[in-house]
Amino acid sequence: QQQVKQSPQSLIVQKGGISIINCAYENTAFDYFPWYQQFPGKGPALLIAIRPDVSEKKEGRFTISFNKSAKQFSLHIMDSQPGDSATYFCAASRGSNYQLIWGAGTKLIIKP
Amino acid sequence: GAVVSQHPSWVICKSGTSVKIECRSLDFQATTMFWYRQFPKQSLMLMATSNEGSKATYEQGVEKDKFLINHASLTLSTLTVTSAHPEDSSFYICSAKGQGLRGIQYFGAGTRLSVL
Repeated sequence: QQQVKQSPQSLIVQKGGISIINCAYENTAFDYFPWYQQFPGKGPALLIAIRPDVSEKKEGRFTISFNKSAKQFSLHIMDSQPGDSATYFCAASRGSNYQLIWGAGTKLIIKP
Repeated sequence: GAVVSQHPSWVICKSGTSVKIECRSLDFQATTMFWYRQFPKQSLMLMATSNEGSKATYEQGVEKDKFLINHASLTLSTLTVTSAHPEDSSFYICSAKGQGLRGIQYFGAGTRLSVL
């Protein structure tokens, strides 16, 4: 019940296309859903996050869609660029200690 | 934005020696810090959570005597890998969160540990 399932494991998208990564969770107590971007040899960097009281959040080319009833959330990267090539992790947390439960990660490659 | 500095970025050591990794929050007070381990092409594995001034809480399966964590101040936490062995070689990452940052964890750049 603590798991966060992420798919796909890897994704190749043409430059200018839309990249979509999906995550699903079981624990309805989760109340914070961030996405992190990680480049090789670097620590993860927060990209965008959402709380369950909204269904969508957009920041620039990045959008989180959240479906509370289905217990799913997804990251959409519009107009994908080669610089977006990285590994993306979804996560979820609950409670005051904000311990993150991580998805397995998606390696995204944007082809020029 | 909040900045977390992690040092060193890469360390090579001989088997049996101890290695200390530092994690500093540069522009905020980190009430809680987390230490992760990441194997190649895998997700982050939480090792321990530490709150300033109290003992760290270790995840199941993590040896507390092997991985010593100290969170002595609101801006500094250290991870010491004691008597390191080749199987301890990994990428170690710290993160920190502070009051007023809405629970957001900010990550250091990670430390690549290679034990020969």
